[in-house]
Amino acid sequence: EPEVTQTPSHQVTQMGQEVILRCVPISNHLYFYWYRQILGQKVEFLVSFYNNEISEKSEIFDDQFSVERPDGSNFTLKIRSTKLEDSAMYFCAGRPPLDTQYFGPGTRLTVL
Amino acid sequence: GENVEQHPSTLSVQEGDSAVIKCTYSDSASNYFPWYKQELGKRPQLIIDIRSNVGEKKDQRIAVTLNKTAKHFSLHITETQPEDSAVYFCAASIEYGGSQGNLIFGKGTKLSVKP
Repeated sequence: EPEVTQTPSHQVTQMGQEVILRCVPISNHLYFYWYRQILGQKVEFLVSFYNNEISEKSEIFDDQFSVERPDGSNFTLKIRSTKLEDSAMYFCAGRPPLDTQYFGPGTRLTVL
Repeated sequence: GENVEQHPSTLSVQEGDSAVIKCTYSDSASNYFPWYKQELGKRPQLIIDIRSNVGEKKDQRIAVTLNKTAKHFSLHITETQPEDSAVYFCAASIEYGGSQGNLIFGKGTKLSVKP
């Protein structure tokens, strides 16, 4: 059974640097999401994406964050100027119509 | 917005016993309630879900109940096994028309099943 994939599995960056996290959803997914999970805490919604535009975003998803699906397959999350508090596990998820969300394995982002 | 509360935060049971995890939600418009199991360092995996048009759903040793009036839903695991040990998250979302069902999660329950 195909699974959502994410790269890299672990990203270490310096504070203030830009990072791009990548996700490859399954081909029949139409809705895409990014979530983050700070170590030991709950999973938090960041943004949802449908038809090549943002559908909803949380208060966490400020101007430092952006998403896009540049080539119709990869779904990316960009953080322009990382902060220490951005250190977390970032999960993307995809959802086919009338179905549930399927999570990727996550990217662990460490900001030093 | 939606707020999901989950209890207990930790739960320890003996192998073979039952485990119950409870969640409450605040937005009466929520109509989809999945439960995820997350093992250490792994992705959340859907184990069961329920929609608001039913009150109970069962899948082998796992069951979920929903009380729409009280706005709470529960996960029941019977005959627990050591491999059930993990963190369990409940979530709520609204699915209708153009909504894509953003999930709002509870804080998680760390279940430990002792052999």
